[in-house]
Amino acid sequence: DAKTTQPPSMDCAEGRAANLPCNHSTISGNEYVYWYRQIHSQGPQYIIHGLKNNETNEMASLIITEDRKSSTLILPHATLRDTAVYYCIVIRTGNQFYFGTGTSLTVIP
Amino acid sequence: EPEVTQTPSHQVTQMGQEVILRCVPISNHLYFYWYRQILGQKVEFLVSFYNNEISEKSEIFDDQFSVERPDGSNFTLKIRSTKLEDSAMYFCATGVAGLAGRYQETQYFGPGTRLLVL
Repeated sequence: DAKTTQPPSMDCAEGRAANLPCNHSTISGNEYVYWYRQIHSQGPQYIIHGLKNNETNEMASLIITEDRKSSTLILPHATLRDTAVYYCIVIRTGNQFYFGTGTSLTVIP
Repeated sequence: EPEVTQTPSHQVTQMGQEVILRCVPISNHLYFYWYRQILGQKVEFLVSFYNNEISEKSEIFDDQFSVERPDGSNFTLKIRSTKLEDSAMYFCATGVAGLAGRYQETQYFGPGTRLLVL
């Protein structure tokens, strides 16, 4: 599975959009981009995933570049409860998830 | 919204003892996973289970570990003789079967069991 690179930490003002980048320059055509988050020591929480097209759900939007070498997770209106570690994972069908160190997002009041 | 549940939430055991961690998957899910997270470290894959057999396992999942789905509902992780280094959060994850080759099986994680080996 392709390796991902994320900034170790980011801050975001409450109510503003949080844009979390992820580089996955070695991604191959059949690999999906997944985003999870982990609040404190809770179980990782699924956020969103995509293959080629941009995706949106009730939690977030996922923007994947045309060459698929990077993506951005957007939390449109960050709240204090969005403070968490966010993981970008690239995976082929059926493989286990490899969690890196992720991005620690702090939402500031 | 359906959730993965895990019991117990906390377990304290003596080194060398056996422990069984239990997971109740979301009802229509057919793929099962165990992960662990040592305090302050990454979430690590242990094993995946499908159709009553292990699909993949990591180097961590040695002979001390076993998994089973004894009654068709619960999914268990057994550690036969616990070591100090087995102290960690253990997460169960489950996934629904997607259309092969087209959809990924999104994994939904439980809240975890915190295991402390003394």
